[in-house]
This record gives sequence, structure tokens and C-alpha cells, in this order.
Amino acid sequence: DAGVIQSPRHEVTEMGQEVTLRCKPISGHNSLFWYRQTMMRGLELLIYFNNNVPIDDSGMPEDRFSAKMPNASFSTLKIQPSEPRDSAVYFCASSLTGADEAFFGQGTRLTVV
Amino acid sequence: GESVGLHLPTLSVQEGDNSIINCAYSNSASDYFIWYKQESGKGPQFIIDIRSNMDKRQGQRVTVLLNKTVKHLSLQIAATQPGDSAVYFCAENPGTYKYIFGTGTRLKVLA
Repeated sequence: DAGVIQSPRHEVTEMGQEVTLRCKPISGHNSLFWYRQTMMRGLELLIYFNNNVPIDDSGMPEDRFSAKMPNASFSTLKIQPSEPRDSAVYFCASSLTGADEAFFGQGTRLTVV
Repeated sequence: GESVGLHLPTLSVQEGDNSIINCAYSNSASDYFIWYKQESGKGPQFIIDIRSNMDKRQGQRVTVLLNKTVKHLSLQIAATQPGDSAVYFCAENPGTYKYIFGTGTRLKVLA
């Protein structure tokens, strides 16, 4: 398995634009996480899916953020409209059960100017 | 790929020496712990894990020690190599999906 695959690796966008980040989890994993990493706050859990269902979205900062998981092999994180303070590295991770080892993707570095 | 904060602790180690990275965890109910390595520009990578019914676990060149009494976790890297340079952080899991990540320690290997 190629691991967790995220795209794009880098995204530079202007304030106010819509941004969509994509993730393909490891096949067979039933849990998917979206994290945001910044210098000041470290790794923050944004949302957790189990069997494609959002279980905990309490970490989603604002209504501007939304996430979907239409099937077991694909998830998106959307920011609309984007703001400069959204600049960070966004990671997707998956695990077999949600309480075991989480495998991370390479991340998407988002810069909003 | 920075971990957290403006004051990330840094450990500088001579190549070939052993490294010890420490982590204090917060939740006494946590029963599963993971050490991750994060190289610049990459995602966190699993190194080794340990469950609360153990106090020591060894992998290839790495050992994790768990002291539940004082809620302390350590990662020992034997014969540190330049490729070990990265940010290391621990994660605790109280049996749910809510991993709690430590602040991270930057390991610098000196040639």
C-alpha cells in the first residue's frame, strides 16, 4: 500500500478563494482524521470520521471549514472562503480502528495570501 | 514540518552517541502511546508504540520506556545517525480516537 495520499502537496491561494484538500486513506482503515499543524498550536484534530461518518467535528474552527467522506477511499477538506490565518500544514491520517496507530500523509502546505 | 511553539526543545547529540527524548503525558487513563518522527516537509512517521501493560518495548535501535507512576515516556535511540535528525513527539491515546500529541523535541545530530 502506498500509504495515506494527500493532494495537493502545496497550495497558494488568495484570500477569499475556495480551497479543497484531498485525501486517500490506507485501504481497509475505517478511521480517518484531518489535522492542522502550526508552529504555535502544534497538531490540532479538526475532524474524525469512522466508517465514512463524521463522529467528531468539534475541532473545525469555523463554518468556513467543511469535510466530507463520500466513500471509504476518499475524503475532502474544504475552506470557503479562505483567510490568511488558515495558512498551515494540513494532514490527513488513517487508522484501522481509531484507537491504534495513525498513519499520516505527507500533508498539504496551504498558504493564503 | 515544525511541531509546535516558538520554543521547541532541542537535543543535540554527537553522531554515534545514544539519544534520550522525554515526554510527560497528561491523561492517566491513556493506555496506548506512540512515538512519531517528523522530518522537515513530511508527515509524522510511526517509530514505535507501547501499551500500558508494558513498561519497556524495543525496536530496531529504538527503545520506549513507560513510567505510569509519573506519567512519563521516553524514547531512546542507540547509535544516533544523521538520518535521525528530526522532530520527535509522543502521542497518547485513552482508548478513543482522540490522540493527544506532545509538543515535540527537535533532535540535531552533530557530525
